[in-house]
Amino acid sequence: GAGVSQTPSNKVTEKGKYVELRCDPISGHTALYWYRQSLGQGPEFLIYFQGTGAADDSGLPNDRFFAVRPEGSVSTLKIQRTERGDSAVYLCASSLGHGGTEAFFGQGTRLTVV
Amino acid sequence: GQNIDQPTEMTATEGAIVQINCTYQTSGFNGLFWYQQHAGEAPTFLSYNVLDGLEEKGRFSSFLSRSKGYSYLLLKELQMKDSASYLCAVTDSNYQLIWGAGTKLIIKP
Repeated sequence: GAGVSQTPSNKVTEKGKYVELRCDPISGHTALYWYRQSLGQGPEFLIYFQGTGAADDSGLPNDRFFAVRPEGSVSTLKIQRTERGDSAVYLCASSLGHGGTEAFFGQGTRLTVV
Repeated sequence: GQNIDQPTEMTATEGAIVQINCTYQTSGFNGLFWYQQHAGEAPTFLSYNVLDGLEEKGRFSSFLSRSKGYSYLLLKELQMKDSASYLCAVTDSNYQLIWGAGTKLIIKP
């Protein structure tokens, strides 16, 4: 696609429910990142994929969070037993390589846990 | 620990010049990025510095001093549309991006 696409743009869920957030990166970009951003803060790193594998998942806050990228393109971030503290904007970014290359961000998914 | 410091908020006048500073302490350094983020939107790339010196791109310039752990973003001929948050991010030794909290720039007529 022309840019990074994230769906849904907004998601409201009840505490304790399961949610899936989808990211469709720019075609050909091997690196894919998930970030979480709270109001007035910079993006907080969650996980990084190089191809199909999670190269670095050190940012995932706990085992309720999981992400996959089975075919090296689309990625899904999965959150189990959601908590109110999970409310944030979840940003996905992709780049041609890892490190010193420009990352292109999607518009984000605003997750609200009530 | 790793740390990126930038002012929380700055105010400037339309048509003027503003400099947004960023200092960093990271485990290794493999480049510094500046991103612009309008409220409710995704960050968009502005500049990348990996060597010391000034990189100029139109109304925007970015400077880096690796020995001082310091960068600035210079915006000239400010326009109202430049009102946004400006994020400084450093690539560490693992090529992971460490982000600052962003500087909210308010442009007044």
